[in-house]
Amino acid sequence: DIQVTQSPPSLSASVGDRVTITCRTSQSIITYLNWYQQRPRTAPKLLIYGASNLQSGVPSRFSGSGSGTEFSLSINGLQPEDFATYYCQQSHSTPRTFGQGTKVEIK
Amino acid sequence: EVHLVESGGGLVQPGGSLRLSCGGSGFIFSNAWMNWVRQAPGKGLEWVGHIKSQSDGRTTDYSAPVKGRFSISRDDSKTTLYLQMNNLKNDDTAVYYCTTSETAPPRRFDHWGQGTLVTVSS
Repeated sequence: DIQVTQSPPSLSASVGDRVTITCRTSQSIITYLNWYQQRPRTAPKLLIYGASNLQSGVPSRFSGSGSGTEFSLSINGLQPEDFATYYCQQSHSTPRTFGQGTKVEIK
Repeated sequence: EVHLVESGGGLVQPGGSLRLSCGGSGFIFSNAWMNWVRQAPGKGLEWVGHIKSQSDGRTTDYSAPVKGRFSISRDDSKTTLYLQMNNLKNDDTAVYYCTTSETAPPRRFDHWGQGTLVTVSS
């Protein structure tokens, strides 16, 4: 199974800040890495797919990069609605493992 | 617009069974791979398993914790996905989401239902 390690587990930031979340996999997944946002008491929502492709309707302040085993999600200019938990997920092989999540909180 | 609606959750005793359903609309259901993902209270997301599209043989894969106890099926004529859960354990307590994914890579989970809560407790 491919292990997915996400960091940090949580971070505090202010509106307008730039934040970056990283994800590492135990073996190469090329660019089969997706990012999801989950606000409290709601279903996850796809933000980025294929490591760097912005899902339709997602604001351009979100961006993804990486390939192989190291990936990152950046939010450039944090907005109030961005305070949520973010998960990465590999879709290279089964089981489709998720990272542990990163909770972005208001400083 | 794509809609996924899960149903069938509830309280069940350890060792019991439950069947969840997920009705889909707004997309060609038979062409989609369908997944179940769960989230235990206060925890992260865990992939449960998937069933491939009709053209890909409707084959299934499962995560290790549920393999042999859970079974995923689909009725494309009813645009409905199912999750049959047997021999339930306390650790199966979670919100269960159904999701769509593409048949070709990167197989993003692009649409999610609202989830249905399963509580396993005596």
